[in-house]
Amino acid sequence: EVQLVESGGGVVRPGGSLRLSCAASGFTFDDYDMSWVRQAPGKGLEWVSGINWNGGSTGYADSVKGRFTISRDNAKNSLYLQMNSLRGEDTALYHCARDGLVGATDYWGQGTLVTVSS
Amino acid sequence: DIQMTQSPSSLSASVGDRVTITCRASQGIRNDLGWYQQKPGKAPKRLIYAASSLQSGVPSRFSASGSGTEFTLTISSLQPEDFATYYCLQHNSYPWTFGQGTKVEIK
Repeated sequence: EVQLVESGGGVVRPGGSLRLSCAASGFTFDDYDMSWVRQAPGKGLEWVSGINWNGGSTGYADSVKGRFTISRDNAKNSLYLQMNSLRGEDTALYHCARDGLVGATDYWGQGTLVTVSS
Repeated sequence: DIQMTQSPSSLSASVGDRVTITCRASQGIRNDLGWYQQKPGKAPKRLIYAASSLQSGVPSRFSASGSGTEFTLTISSLQPEDFATYYCLQHNSYPWTFGQGTKVEIK
């Protein structure tokens, strides 16, 4: 069974940093590209960042480019999102997601909540 | 960046109704599009991949079509469990982008 378990969320002040982690299990992690997707309270889904299977290619939403860094450790079956210079508009539930071998994201974690507030 | 325009933003329908949701891409994305269903408090669930392929386990009342810039999701006969919010996602090129979502409510 595919499992994606996020951690690392919390309350942080504007300008602060957080590192999110995602522990993957139930599939061969390094066969898959991965993504982070967020959802602000009461709002729609926003794709944040993606990384290919070996970390050699990454992409970012314009809203986070230059502030967030996605990475992965295939030996640990883990995905990460380093978030710097956090803003109030980054407050959201952050989901780790597996990108399908065919098509886009096919499995999602339940998310970790990030709240940016003074 | 590719913009995805989804319509309508919400709709009211009755059980048994046929429902159609549309996504338009600001430039051609071939068939690099998925459709997702999200219920309150839950993670999204993929319904459709590659624009028209039904995800395993998803009821056949869901169908989708399109290529290039115009895409549709159709629910042929709305069931009580289908009341949810639906999103399209383009994955043709980074940054990937979601449509704004369509909330399907009970009439």
